Amino acid sequence: AQSVAQPEDQVNVAEGNPLTVKCTYSVSGNPYLFWYVQYPNRGLQFLLKYITGDNLVKGSYGFEAEFNKSQTSFHLKKPSALVSDSALYFCAVRDVGNSNYQLIWGAGTKLIIKP
Amino acid sequence: NAGVTQTPKFRILKIGQSMTLQCTQDMNHNYMYWYRQDPGMGLKLIYYSVGAGITDKGEVPNGYNVSRSTTEDFPLRLELAAPSQTSVYFCASSYSGTGSSYEQYFGPGTRLTVT
Repeated sequence: AQSVAQPEDQVNVAEGNPLTVKCTYSVSGNPYLFWYVQYPNRGLQFLLKYITGDNLVKGSYGFEAEFNKSQTSFHLKKPSALVSDSALYFCAVRDVGNSNYQLIWGAGTKLIIKP
Repeated sequence: NAGVTQTPKFRILKIGQSMTLQCTQDMNHNYMYWYRQDPGMGLKLIYYSVGAGITDKGEVPNGYNVSRSTTEDFPLRLELAAPSQTSVYFCASSYSGTGSSYEQYFGPGTRLTVT
């Protein structure tokens, strides 16, 4: 069965430090992987995606994510955190070989950046 | 370019009442989705549509109905509202076709309270 795990409910980082939000996935075929961010009382905004090619993908607001096929992971990273990065982050996956076009969503990780 | 718009932004319903949540997208996306997000939780798919005239159930369809008469519009109908339907509802759309990676674009959400 397809699934996405975000093992940390909350991640706390000091401003200026690097941040990582973890995501692991399980699909039977090749994955399309996505990260979204949700600010309070707002809809989800697309951050970045991995489709194929370079394992390190860059997205909006200085975020990047690294696809690791052997570890079935797609961790979100940023070299230097900002207080404004505080939000809820969702990882999602689609099995490329599945004709069902739905995304499978993780439960979300709350990122708190402290000044 | 408005993207995905949803109305209303907020609504309070009494138990047993009905209402329709409106969703419109102007990106000519063929796929549209309705999700609910309960407090502190991730997204649960209610219904989705792969094109005008075609809809299908998601993970939590009970108590809801949808229709897709045009590419742009995908209203969600709540019949006989129950407290368990208190949630934030998000509409999303995506494009599927040659070269698509299926990322979804979200509306701002409708916050519904049933009392």
